[in-house]
Amino acid sequence: GQNIDQPTEMTATEGAIVQINCTYQTSGFNGLFWYQQHAGEAPTFLSYNVLDGLEEKGRFSSFLSRSKGYSYLLLKELQMKDSASYLCAPGYGAGSYQLTFGKGTKLSVIP
Amino acid sequence: EPEVTQTPSHQVTQMGQEVILRCVPISNHLYFYWYRQILGQKVEFLVSFYNNEISEKSEIFDDQFSVERPDGSNFTLKIRSTKLEDSAMYFCASRAPPSGASYEQYFGPGTRLTVT
Repeated sequence: GQNIDQPTEMTATEGAIVQINCTYQTSGFNGLFWYQQHAGEAPTFLSYNVLDGLEEKGRFSSFLSRSKGYSYLLLKELQMKDSASYLCAPGYGAGSYQLTFGKGTKLSVIP
Repeated sequence: EPEVTQTPSHQVTQMGQEVILRCVPISNHLYFYWYRQILGQKVEFLVSFYNNEISEKSEIFDDQFSVERPDGSNFTLKIRSTKLEDSAMYFCASRAPPSGASYEQYFGPGTRLTVT
């Protein structure tokens, strides 16, 4: 397996910043995706990192270190609607680029 | 905005019956996928499809499963003889040919399959 490790649950306060970490197996790794999944809904794309460093997109940023097999998703100015599961998904293999999802981190944003 | 659609949204079937789950990927996309998510568990890759053939499949995708692109728009997943453990949400996804660093997969809303 790809041994994707991320925290099971996190709680943060509205307006705060939260960082969700993910480690993964580096063998055959191409790039890393973060998806958001609200309960009962499909995953929706948040970010994709292929190079080392930080990618910023509005309130969400994602960081990748290829050599360490490490990524994090940073959510700023948290809103209640950010309560969801956040799925770390490294991409492996040449060609089809299928996603291997972690179990996800369930984030609860409280007032 | 273009989106992936799936039908039906919910399918109830008896054990041993065949089911076909249907997906219409985004029109200019060339790579198609099926994933499943058992209630409370992680999203699992089943199969990827490109150029009218399977390009990758997981251990879950055994002989009971098959995929087909019968025409220019539909992409189907067939389960020949359903088992109780096939009960899950099945997601279809598609992506465009690589453009720059874009490998984003777009997911459909899912079909909830309940096997009784």
